[in-house]
Amino acid sequence: EAEVAQSPRYKITEKSQAVAFWCDPISGHATLYWYRQILGQGPELLVQFQDESVVDDSQLPKDRFSAERLKGVDSTLKIQPAELGDSAMYLCASSLWPGTGETQYFGPGTRLLVL
Amino acid sequence: DAKTTQPPSMDCAEGRAANLPCNHSTISGNEYVYWYRQIHSQGPQYIIHGLKNNETNEMASLIITEDRKSSTLILPHATLRDTAVYYCIVRVVSNYQLIWGAGTKLIIKP
Repeated sequence: EAEVAQSPRYKITEKSQAVAFWCDPISGHATLYWYRQILGQGPELLVQFQDESVVDDSQLPKDRFSAERLKGVDSTLKIQPAELGDSAMYLCASSLWPGTGETQYFGPGTRLLVL
Repeated sequence: DAKTTQPPSMDCAEGRAANLPCNHSTISGNEYVYWYRQIHSQGPQYIIHGLKNNETNEMASLIITEDRKSSTLILPHATLRDTAVYYCIVRVVSNYQLIWGAGTKLIIKP
């Protein structure tokens, strides 16, 4: 069964450092999502891509976060500089298209700890 | 903001049916109800979704009331591996996004 791949699974960094997360969606999935999940809460959407284009990044803190999906396949989420409050799980999800009834499938996530 | 309300936690005995309620009183006529679960430290796992009719798959059944203001997820024979946080989500029609609440922590007891 096809899965969404993410790496690394765990990342520890010091504040003010740069970090990057990678996501490879299910093959053929045009829509890719990045979420942030703080402990005890549900995931919060950061950015949504349709192929290589950003559809929604209204919740992305653009002063320090950036995301790209250059060839419309895999994607990278970057934080520079990291802050203590960025400690969270970062989840990637993909779907065939953002249509009614379409299902998002999630990767295992990257757990970030900022010291 | 999330359009659903769920109890923060529930217990269920192993082998019994687990019934997880969800209120979505402001749901629109063309908005789907989705259920996901998240086992500790893993990514969310899709369970089931529906619009008006009841739905069943190999994992669970989804019962939606006739007025669509609430629904129930049923795990017919709960096992210890079903211990997880279960999220009920109403999918936004305008952009098809999922707005997540805090979910229900379901604990299956031996």
